[in-house]
Amino acid sequence: GENVEQHPSTLSVQEGDSAVIKCTYSDSASNYFPWYKQELGKRPQLIIDIRSNVGEKKDQRIAVTLNKTAKHFSLHITETQPEDSAVYFCAASKNTDKLIFGTGTRLQVFP
Amino acid sequence: GAGVSQSPSNKVTEKGKDVELRCDPISGHTALYWYRQSLGQGLEFLIYFQGNSAPDKSGLPSDRFSAERTGGSVSTLTIQRTQQEDSAVYLCASSLAGGPEQYFGPGTRLTVT
Repeated sequence: GENVEQHPSTLSVQEGDSAVIKCTYSDSASNYFPWYKQELGKRPQLIIDIRSNVGEKKDQRIAVTLNKTAKHFSLHITETQPEDSAVYFCAASKNTDKLIFGTGTRLQVFP
Repeated sequence: GAGVSQSPSNKVTEKGKDVELRCDPISGHTALYWYRQSLGQGLEFLIYFQGNSAPDKSGLPSDRFSAERTGGSVSTLTIQRTQQEDSAVYLCASSLAGGPEQYFGPGTRLTVT
């Protein structure tokens, strides 16, 4: 079955710097790759996603890139702000199937 | 519109008791998923319902866990003879037919004492 690895497990950046979180997946049939942000005690919130027919997608300060050949995808946050501090999860799935999640990255943005 | 709702928000139960957790998906969403998140951990898939198809139960950790979805809407996750290792946040998500985006409810925090 699908296996998703995520790193780093923790990431600390200064406000205004960029943050990058990387994930790899094992099942070449996976075609949907969402990213979720989870603040302490809250539900996971979908922040951006990418499908396998696209290499890059951007939404304001966040972007996701996908390398299907290498089975890698990454989340990029530019001009980080303290409110970006949270745990970020990547995931992979085939169409509308179950999501297989990475283990999460705790991002801390220091003012 | 209203998002995914779950009840109760917190449940404390004694080891060996049965519990039922409820999920109300977003109206019109035909797919419903249950996940489990242990303290400080990632999300683990449990079970998935899509329309009238047989559910995908491949993530259920033991036969003490079961779920049903009545009328294609509300779902109930039942844990029988609870154990301390069942303590976790149980999250429900729903999505539109044909759309992969899953939206999560607030979760039920289950504590087994």
